[in-house]
Amino acid sequence: DGGITQSPKYLFRKEGQNVTLSCEQNLNHDAMYWYRQDPGQGLRLIYYSQIVNDFQKGDIAEGYSVSREKKESFPLTVTSAQKNPTAFYLCASTIDRVRQFFGPGTRLTVL
Amino acid sequence: SQKIEQNSEALNIQEGKTATLTCNYTNYSPAYLQWYRQDPGRGPVFLLLIRENEKEKRKERLKVTFDTTLKQSLFHITASQPADSATYLCALGNNAGNMLTFGGGTRLMVKP
Repeated sequence: DGGITQSPKYLFRKEGQNVTLSCEQNLNHDAMYWYRQDPGQGLRLIYYSQIVNDFQKGDIAEGYSVSREKKESFPLTVTSAQKNPTAFYLCASTIDRVRQFFGPGTRLTVL
Repeated sequence: SQKIEQNSEALNIQEGKTATLTCNYTNYSPAYLQWYRQDPGRGPVFLLLIRENEKEKRKERLKVTFDTTLKQSLFHITASQPADSATYLCALGNNAGNMLTFGGGTRLMVKP
């Protein structure tokens, strides 16, 4: 089955820790995206990548970093510089740069 | 700045009725508008896309309208069912095709 997987489903972070969220897709999609969703709010774009080894900042990139070494993978690191990281993180991909296909999400909580 | 407004209050309707959700936007000239469904704790799922030169789009029990003069889209679910209960997000995109801008979503509750 083709799709997007995210892991872990739940992640707990202590203050000052960096954590990495995984996103993998086997849809052969070129473009991938990371969003953050807070309760009752829409999705806000963190980073996106249109091709391997290239990525651009979205609206709220501060405190986050990404890499795109393989077409299938687009991991997101939440650094200690992100002061309010508790949120639901969603990864998405697209082949036509229009319709986006989302993963199941990772819920990050800061302890 | 770009702004997309969806009714933040939940919409409660009776099974069998038509649900109508609204998406309004300002400071934006989108090339297309999309609607997604999101269930609790899950990622959004694409439902429909309508382009700026289209007035209406249908898919089974779903209908979307797009009025670029009013800067508004309406999303209709006819013969609603309890299984339609979810949060519905609208998203706008331009021809650069790189990014979507999402609204905050409206929660729909269909009661049996």
